[in-house]
Amino acid sequence: GNSVTQMEGPVTLSEEAFLTINCTYTATGYPSLFWYVQYPGEGLQLLLKATKADDKGSNKGFEATYRKETTSFHLEKGSVQVSDSAVYFCALLYSGGGADGLTFGKGTHLIIQP
Amino acid sequence: SAVISQKPSRDICQRGTSLTIQCQVDSQVTMMFWYRQQPGQSLTLIATANQGSEATYESGFVIDKFPISRPNLTFSTLTVSNMSPEDSSIYLCSVDRAGGDEQYFGPGTRLTVT
Repeated sequence: GNSVTQMEGPVTLSEEAFLTINCTYTATGYPSLFWYVQYPGEGLQLLLKATKADDKGSNKGFEATYRKETTSFHLEKGSVQVSDSAVYFCALLYSGGGADGLTFGKGTHLIIQP
Repeated sequence: SAVISQKPSRDICQRGTSLTIQCQVDSQVTMMFWYRQQPGQSLTLIATANQGSEATYESGFVIDKFPISRPNLTFSTLTVSNMSPEDSSIYLCSVDRAGGDEQYFGPGTRLTVT
């Protein structure tokens, strides 16, 4: 079946540090890949997505590239801010002809210290 | 995107009782999804609800425990039946757009079973 593996947290960084959160997946076929973010006290929000190999999704300074050869979709940001503190979820969607829900990783809690 | 509301936002229930969670969307959508997020865990898909047909349940979830209704294109309910403390979770609904692969999530219902 489909699965998503992402690095365990919490990940603690200082402000302006470089961020990488690793995400790898297992899926049949060619899924769409997503990063969702859950800020403290808020609902789950779509951060970025990529729908095919070599696509790069980007939003709010975050980027992730769909790497089919390594089945990865790592999240990166060049300079994090305190406001980026949140839980980040990597997810995939494989539409095998019908409507499918998302398969999520376990989430990575990111803490940015001033 | 879509504006999604859920009722109730939270509840504390006694074991053996049932709770019905409502999900309302501000526009017509094809598919609605129900997820569970257990404490400290990732999101797990419970079922997919298409208007006018029976919901499709994921492995480990059954209709007797989690009956779902989808009476129209903007509304769905999830009932958690005969609750036990293990059902304490956040329950979220999400929607996608016809032909789209992005899902948008409601704010969630935090359920505590005592």
